[in-house]
Amino acid sequence: DAGITQSPRHKVTETGTPVTLRCHQTENHRYMYWYRQDPGHGLRLIHYSYGVKDTDKGEVSDGYSVSRSKTEDFLLTLESATSSQTSVYFCAISEAGQSYGYTFGSGTRLTVV
Amino acid sequence: KNQVEQSPQSLIILEGKNCTLQCNYTVSPFSNLRWYKQDTGRGPVSLTIMTFSENTKSNGRYTATLDADTKQSSLHITASQLSDSASYICVVSDRGSTLGRLYFGRGTQLTVWP
Repeated sequence: DAGITQSPRHKVTETGTPVTLRCHQTENHRYMYWYRQDPGHGLRLIHYSYGVKDTDKGEVSDGYSVSRSKTEDFLLTLESATSSQTSVYFCAISEAGQSYGYTFGSGTRLTVV
Repeated sequence: KNQVEQSPQSLIILEGKNCTLQCNYTVSPFSNLRWYKQDTGRGPVSLTIMTFSENTKSNGRYTATLDADTKQSSLHITASQLSDSASYICVVSDRGSTLGRLYFGRGTQLTVWP
């Protein structure tokens, strides 16, 4: 997806270990979001950022933290991974907030064993 | 409670046929409605976005309709192709805050057979 890159694309980790997922954008968009996608659920918002060092919680934020020290990077950290956090994680960017155009990354498939 | 419901959950059609996917929502106050296509292993890609005043919007073989009175939308795919096999997600945005909030449907899984 042009302008937005997620890394890694796949990761397997053990329960209790810390994990950091990275979202990198080259569009200079102000807003960045982390979602998780699970079977039987729509995409659910974990955390979002509306500027450097400005972040807020979404609907499923427990067990997750985020950081945004530069406009282009938004990091999602699982401090102590649990099996319930096995999911596909998507980053999204927007120039002017959720009511406007959105671009999603290709996703990170995380498996916690 | 703000919700987005899509039907059917899954659909199989033959290549070249038309199909229509449905989306009903209860989101209020309404800002806009979007349809996304998500290929397996990829992120969602926007097909259309419609505001309150728009009834129809097309993107190639994809035509979305919106009835804001009944809070229903449909996505019509004409002359389906194998590459149309994907999940189609309806997303509704509210105007409840400065940033708005997105409500995602669970998607309709479309499979196009040759």
